[in-house]
Amino acid sequence: DADVTQTPRNRITKTGKRIMLECSQTKGHDRMYWYRQDPGLGLRLIYYSFDVKDINKGEISDGYSVSRQAQAKFSLSLESAIPNQTALYFCATSDFQGTDTQYFGPGTRLTVL
Amino acid sequence: AQSVAQPEDQVNVAEGNPLTVKCTYSVSGNPYLFWYVQYPNRGLQFLLKYITGDNLVKGSYGFEAEFNKSQTSFHLKKPSALVSDSALYFCAVRDTGFQKLVFGTGTRLLVSP
Repeated sequence: DADVTQTPRNRITKTGKRIMLECSQTKGHDRMYWYRQDPGLGLRLIYYSFDVKDINKGEISDGYSVSRQAQAKFSLSLESAIPNQTALYFCATSDFQGTDTQYFGPGTRLTVL
Repeated sequence: AQSVAQPEDQVNVAEGNPLTVKCTYSVSGNPYLFWYVQYPNRGLQFLLKYITGDNLVKGSYGFEAEFNKSQTSFHLKKPSALVSDSALYFCAVRDTGFQKLVFGTGTRLLVSP
């Protein structure tokens, strides 16, 4: 969905480096999410935010942190990257109107060497 | 806690034949059910959802899904498969008491010419 953008699209980094993945949306949604996708495991929720002042841990938040700079921006940081954080990362947004349909960005492929 | 199962890692079907991708769920309360599709190197795209009402839900690209409360299933169907339907399909559930989605592990659909 072109309304949800992620940068960078691909990143290779080394163990121990700090990495930031950025997500921006023009859909005007309040809710934003970060997921990681691993083969055979589907999508797992890392963090989610229901508005600028509301940030919550998901099922696999260890080793990650987030920042909600504005309604439209939600960043994911890996403070000290490790190889098992190699994955495809997706940002998503939703506008709660009783259905919570989520709209996804194109993903960031992160490789930690 | 809610959960979703997609029992098939891969489904193979010939072009023109009907296809079914299976999904079962577990939630407390009434479920909100979703299907998403992921094409190579793309983010997830919303296909359809069940919130309430008619058990047969119609979505994008000719897909439909049937909600069966007694069997706790929400199988994705299409009467006539296309080669371009080949992709990874995810089922997801959110129950009315929680505010985030839980995804299945995904089913790869391969449609042969």
